Amino acid sequence: GAVVSQHPSWVICKSGTSVKIECRSLDFQATTMFWYRQFPKQSLMLMATSNEGSKATYEQGVEKDKFLINHASLTLSTLTVTSAHPEDSSFYICSARQLAGGTYEQYFGPGTRLTVT
Amino acid sequence: AQSVTQLDSHVSVSEGTPVLLRCNYSSSYSPSLFWYVQHPNKGLQLLLKYTSAATLVKGINGFEAEFKKSETSFHLTKPSAHMSDAAEYFCVVSDRTNFGNEKLTFGTGTRLTIIP
Repeated sequence: GAVVSQHPSWVICKSGTSVKIECRSLDFQATTMFWYRQFPKQSLMLMATSNEGSKATYEQGVEKDKFLINHASLTLSTLTVTSAHPEDSSFYICSARQLAGGTYEQYFGPGTRLTVT
Repeated sequence: AQSVTQLDSHVSVSEGTPVLLRCNYSSSYSPSLFWYVQHPNKGLQLLLKYTSAATLVKGINGFEAEFKKSETSFHLTKPSAHMSDAAEYFCVVSDRTNFGNEKLTFGTGTRLTIIP
């Protein structure tokens, strides 16, 4: 149980275009999902918290107009990188939160590798 | 504020020998602590978690970690390394006093290499 999927697993796009990444909780409902960014050989940095039915909460330094998040249902959150530039190339990982044993636990997707040319 | 320090960026051990990955944390009175493993180009898999029950936590694949409040440590160990253990390991802290609004703070990771 507690499986999270991401689509696509990798994408290459041209500079100036927009890319949408989907994050789905396959066997549970998640009112809260998270989006992380991971640069090569570095740790995960939280970008934003996605709440179903409300606006996402962005971490300091993350441009909300560039990284659009939509959490339209209890099993789906999307991250759209708008007007992508080469510096947006990264590994994007989502997680979905579920209450387990009295605490919240995050289940991670396999990640999406974005390359902007 | 919470933070995590992974003391070694890279650890190499021979197959069959013990593994020790070190982690120190800084948090509020009630932290939750996790170890995640990430294989190349893969997502993160939870190895184990500490949430205030037993201080010695057993996880998957033979890993375990001990929560030591006096030392603010949560080191990850395994008695005998396998080749399949080669991966990146992240120590993670979450503030349980902020229930419902917990955020995970990741350490910088430790790359584990297994020597045949």
